[in-house]
Amino acid sequence: DSGVTQTPKHLITATGQRVTLRCSPRSGDLSVYWYQQSLDQGLQFLIQYYNGEERAKGNILERFSAQQFPDLHSELNLSSLELGDSALYFCASSVEGGNTIYFGEGSWLTVV
Amino acid sequence: GENVGLHLPTLSVQEGDNSIINCAYSNSASDYFIWYKQESGKGPQFIIDIRSNMDKRQGQRVTVLLNKTVKHLSLQIAATQPGDSAVYFCAEKASGTYKYIFGTGTRLKVLA
Repeated sequence: DSGVTQTPKHLITATGQRVTLRCSPRSGDLSVYWYQQSLDQGLQFLIQYYNGEERAKGNILERFSAQQFPDLHSELNLSSLELGDSALYFCASSVEGGNTIYFGEGSWLTVV
Repeated sequence: GENVGLHLPTLSVQEGDNSIINCAYSNSASDYFIWYKQESGKGPQFIIDIRSNMDKRQGQRVTVLLNKTVKHLSLQIAATQPGDSAVYFCAEKASGTYKYIFGTGTRLKVLA
């Protein structure tokens, strides 16, 4: 158990809908990262937050957004969902940028 | 790079033998490297890390070797066990950045 908690573990939703994935980092970690893993794209970095502020942005679509709250938990919002958004979404955390990142168990999103 | 295709390279080893998993990284400015193990349906699990000022680092049954000249990283697993069967990813991070880039995963199959 890495200490990173993600909910929900599984989610099935229809195209065009919006979902929110939630992540609680390890105790004491200030940085949160979001990754998308699909069969044809591998582990793709989406976005990173540090202590509530966006710090780095990767291949995140405009339909997706994220935020980190004062209690350091983070949410990834996915809107106008398409079939191709079906993937495993991982959250990871670290004490601060530059250190080892630890992953949660992921949220399986299936868009039908 | 960041992409992992449907057809991951696969390494099959006999139980008890040593395994060597290789990774070519892309950025000569990367100064921190991590190996992760990912079992089916789970999040990537930290195995071992190494900084660019080192050539070798050992853990419990695992050794990471770093060759900066040819931008190559390897993970050696001693006395491979059935529980080592998983997909292994290397990740690199460039100095001054917060973005971890994951390499092409390698599937390790341990044969009984």
